[in-house]
Amino acid sequence: EAQVTQNPRYLITVTGKKLTVTCSQNMNHEYMSWYRQDPGLGLRQIYYSMNVEVTDKGDVPEGYKVSRKEKRNFPLILESPSPNQTSLYFCASSFKLGEFYEQYFGPGTRLTVT
Amino acid sequence: EDKVVQSPLSLVVHEGDTVTLNCSYEVTNFRSLLWYKQEKKAPTFLFMLTSSGIEKKSGRLSSILDKKELFSILNITATQTGDSAVYLCAVRGPGGTSYGKLTFGQGTILTVHP
Repeated sequence: EAQVTQNPRYLITVTGKKLTVTCSQNMNHEYMSWYRQDPGLGLRQIYYSMNVEVTDKGDVPEGYKVSRKEKRNFPLILESPSPNQTSLYFCASSFKLGEFYEQYFGPGTRLTVT
Repeated sequence: EDKVVQSPLSLVVHEGDTVTLNCSYEVTNFRSLLWYKQEKKAPTFLFMLTSSGIEKKSGRLSSILDKKELFSILNITATQTGDSAVYLCAVRGPGGTSYGKLTFGQGTILTVHP
């Protein structure tokens, strides 16, 4: 089944403890992206990747890191999480980012930083 | 700074009504505009619009883009309770060295009562 998977789905952690949220897609998609969703603010893009080893900042990259060493995986790293990073995180992918290619979203990761 | 504004923020209607959701944008070097539907999970893709004046249609949903006036509308006719969701608009523009940056609006919450 074609899908985007994220792990974990729920995470409660403490300030400053490094964490990684994994994202994997099995559709051989070139484009992958991370978003956070907060009430009243909609979805905001954190980082995106046009292909392996090609990443770029979105609107809210501060406090996050990403890497794209292989096509299927695009992990999101929080080196020193803070409470303002408590949010719902979505990973998404598409074959390319063009008119005929829709973006598929993962199920979301709800992160709470205390 | 790229900006996408949706209106109204919230809308309550009865089954059978027709609704129009609005999305206006200010994005440098616009590439495309996307509409998503989000129920209690990840967003699902509805439409991608790149050309002005060409309506995209899927069942009771349709959307059109006006690149001169920098807005798009999403119409839903004969609404059903299953249309209750958050409708998200996103605009693709340049980011860094590529065109992978997506800026989302804050969403319109649509509630359809029986």
